[in-house]
Amino acid sequence: GGIITQTPKFLIGQEGQKLTLKCQQNFNHDTMYWYRQDSGKGLRLIYYSITENDLQKGDLSEGYDASREKKSSFSLTVTSAQKNEMAVFLCASSTGGENTLYFGAGTRLSVL
Amino acid sequence: QQKVQQSPESLIVPEGAMTSLNCTFSDSASQYFAWYRQHSGKAPKALMSIFSNGEKEEGRFTIHLNKASLHFSLHIRDSQPSDSALYLCASSNMGYKLTFGTGTSLLVDP
Repeated sequence: GGIITQTPKFLIGQEGQKLTLKCQQNFNHDTMYWYRQDSGKGLRLIYYSITENDLQKGDLSEGYDASREKKSSFSLTVTSAQKNEMAVFLCASSTGGENTLYFGAGTRLSVL
Repeated sequence: QQKVQQSPESLIVPEGAMTSLNCTFSDSASQYFAWYRQHSGKAPKALMSIFSNGEKEEGRFTIHLNKASLHFSLHIRDSQPSDSALYLCASSNMGYKLTFGTGTSLLVDP
């Protein structure tokens, strides 16, 4: 089996700050994803990467940048944190296409 | 843009009851349909998935898919307190973009 590690687990930022979230996977999966979850609700896709060096925008990419540094890692940057923003950012990986997504435990973001 | 909606938003059932969760999707070209479960504070985990119209059973869990009505559902037989969680449905048109629903929060009352 494999594991997805997200760092940090908790992130507190200031309004307007640029914040970076990191994700590592050891499944050797090609495809990686970043989703946002608000208040225990559904997941919204921010960015995904089909393979190393690829980046695709999801439905919620405005205000975010992403970087697929290598096959095993995928980073997400909040370009300008919004005041009172609270959400959980979930990283996932899969072998691609319609296959099962494996999720990390998430990074909880709070903006003061 | 694919829209995926779930109902109900929340549900309380007694232990041992049958639980039914619903999901509607907007893209008639969707080919892949899945359910994920997320216990409080944990990562979502895949439960089961289906590609073709009809039903698929795995243990106490059954998926029904009706593409013509843009609807699929999850049924949990003999619901247990450990089934209490947020249930997320998801669909895609066989691309890489998996769209999730709004979630149903299930509480199984012992």
